[in-house]
Amino acid sequence: SQQGEEDPQALSIQEGENATMNCSYKTSINNLQWYRQNSGRGLVHLILIRSNEREKHSGRLRVTLDTSKKSSSLLITASRAADTASYFCATVGQGAQKLVFGQGTRLTINP
Amino acid sequence: ETGVTQSPTHLIKTRGQQVTLRCSSQSGHNTVSWYQQALGQGPQFIFQYYREEENGRGNFPPRFSGLQFPNYSSELNVNALELDDSALYLCASSASLAGVETQYFGPGTRLLVL
Repeated sequence: SQQGEEDPQALSIQEGENATMNCSYKTSINNLQWYRQNSGRGLVHLILIRSNEREKHSGRLRVTLDTSKKSSSLLITASRAADTASYFCATVGQGAQKLVFGQGTRLTINP
Repeated sequence: ETGVTQSPTHLIKTRGQQVTLRCSSQSGHNTVSWYQQALGQGPQFIFQYYREEENGRGNFPPRFSGLQFPNYSSELNVNALELDDSALYLCASSASLAGVETQYFGPGTRLLVL
């Protein structure tokens, strides 16, 4: 079963705008990771944030984590057409080794 | 590129048949996990192997089984295929057991069961 939900399920914006995706989860975690998937192909790891971290940056990506609300957000700034993809959050529980994925947000960047 | 390869890329089988999917991990990665991704859904954990032993299993029946070999390759076997087994199957490798390690995913095998 899925760990949580991502919101929105689909997002369409203009190139150059910022895109924000949210992820909620249900149980305590060790860390939370964001992945990108292009056209039903393999997953590409974007960023990992540990449970004791609140914010992390990587290039145009900014991830926040609120463990009290069991939620995370992914912000992509200055979006590009190449950012069009599905984005998944995945959690790793305490003492676990598996990734538990949400259902994903389908992001479309319009030129 | 993640350095993880999978074969075949696509496969069509009929109900009741058996299938073997293959994965080649990055050199030095002794942990491999398999995931099933149905259309429009997030991946779901099938099982994980560490140093050739099963190290955890998701909510999948015993007809899903696996093997890991010393040369960093692994297999996912599915017996008695059902229509609902149609999905993208992903393998992911990592350098250790620790969940904080980044997992490197292969491109997947798309299985269609008719």
